Amino acid sequence: RKEVEQDPGPFNVPEGATVAFNCTYSNSASQSFFWYRQDCRKEPKLLMSVYSSGNEDGRFTAQLNRASQYISLLIRDSKLSDSATYLCVVVSNSGYALNFGKGTSLLVTP
Amino acid sequence: DVKVTQSSRYLVKRTGEKVFLECVQDMDHENMFWYRQDPGLGLRLIYFSYDVKMKEKGDIPEGYSVSREKKERFSLILESASTNQTSMYLCASSLTSDGYTFGSGTRLTVV
Repeated sequence: RKEVEQDPGPFNVPEGATVAFNCTYSNSASQSFFWYRQDCRKEPKLLMSVYSSGNEDGRFTAQLNRASQYISLLIRDSKLSDSATYLCVVVSNSGYALNFGKGTSLLVTP
Repeated sequence: DVKVTQSSRYLVKRTGEKVFLECVQDMDHENMFWYRQDPGLGLRLIYFSYDVKMKEKGDIPEGYSVSREKKERFSLILESASTNQTSMYLCASSLTSDGYTFGSGTRLTVV
């Protein structure tokens, strides 16, 4: 089983829609989780951290379910500019390096 | 803002050549990383370093080596480039696992 797994998509949604991505991880001892965003031909950039209590940043909500070992990202009121690949990230056992999922592709259409 | 600079955006090398990919960060970060990114495979960790002269193998170190002689610079070396090392190479640095900043990448083609 891969350490971090995501549905690659693509998710095609109209502007204004709500869309959710899930990601599962295999190491039950993992402590830190993130969502990164990667635009086409660009480097990944940190979107938000994922806390046990869940966290929200504007239209974006991230949640962690430790019992089921999955992380979710919810995007409300999708904008065209949200079109990107969203990478689920888990801190590795070393505590330094990040393990990346392969990414979920989102395309928001007019 | 932290800046991570990779020396080349695009690089074309011949099979068997020794290739150096350079990465420099300007925020005094202890941790630096090299990943490669391939379609369908995502980002895979090659090597990382948590201090000067320290290095740790990642998931796919074969065919690569690294050098960290100064805190701000982390070099990836392809000892004898092969066509299966054609990829996008991404360098990153961090102070903690929270603040992970990537360079803009080097697209290497080995012919």
